[in-house]
Amino acid sequence: AQSVTQPDIHITVSEGASLELRCNYSYGATPYLFWYVQSPGQGLQLLLKYFSGDTLVQGIKGFEAEFKRSQSSFNLRKPSVHWSDAAEYFCAVVLNDYKLSFGAGTTVTVRA
Amino acid sequence: NAGVMQNPRHLVRRRGQEARLRCSPMKGHSHVYWYRQLPEEGLKFMVYLQKENIIDESGMPKERFSAEFPKEGPSILRIQQVVRGDSAAYFCASSPTATGEKLFFGSGTQLSVL
Repeated sequence: AQSVTQPDIHITVSEGASLELRCNYSYGATPYLFWYVQSPGQGLQLLLKYFSGDTLVQGIKGFEAEFKRSQSSFNLRKPSVHWSDAAEYFCAVVLNDYKLSFGAGTTVTVRA
Repeated sequence: NAGVMQNPRHLVRRRGQEARLRCSPMKGHSHVYWYRQLPEEGLKFMVYLQKENIIDESGMPKERFSAEFPKEGPSILRIQQVVRGDSAAYFCASSPTATGEKLFFGSGTQLSVL
């Protein structure tokens, strides 16, 4: 079965510093790949997604992610974080059907 | 165009009671999905419904849980005889298509079982 791994449970970053969140998946084929953000008490908001084509994907709120087939990774990055980026981030995949398989999430704390 | 609406936002039940969670999909969306988020875990797929049909309930516990999406009205996730282990956030998502790339999530219902 496919799986999604987010190795970092919690990351603390200073405001203005860069952020990178890791995501690895295990599956032979290339799935649809997503990053979602969940602010406290809120639902999930889609940041970006990758289906095919250019492996560097731009999303909302200044986020980007790069798909690397050789590493089965889809890491999320932001060059300069803002305090409002403090949230939980989920990587997810859809394979050949409609089910999203989510990683366990990475909680991002932003310090002043 | 309102987003996916879930209510209530918070639901408290005592063990043995029934919980009903409602989800109104976005306008024009006929595909509804329910996910459960347990503490410290990611979301897990529960069930996929189209109007009046359950397409895939492979993620639903075999007992006490049921879901429906009637021709008129919201989708309902029903949990009978709740237990403490049912405490979780339940998220609904809707989509205009049968594939998973255009999901929109609601804000969730936090179920607490005392």
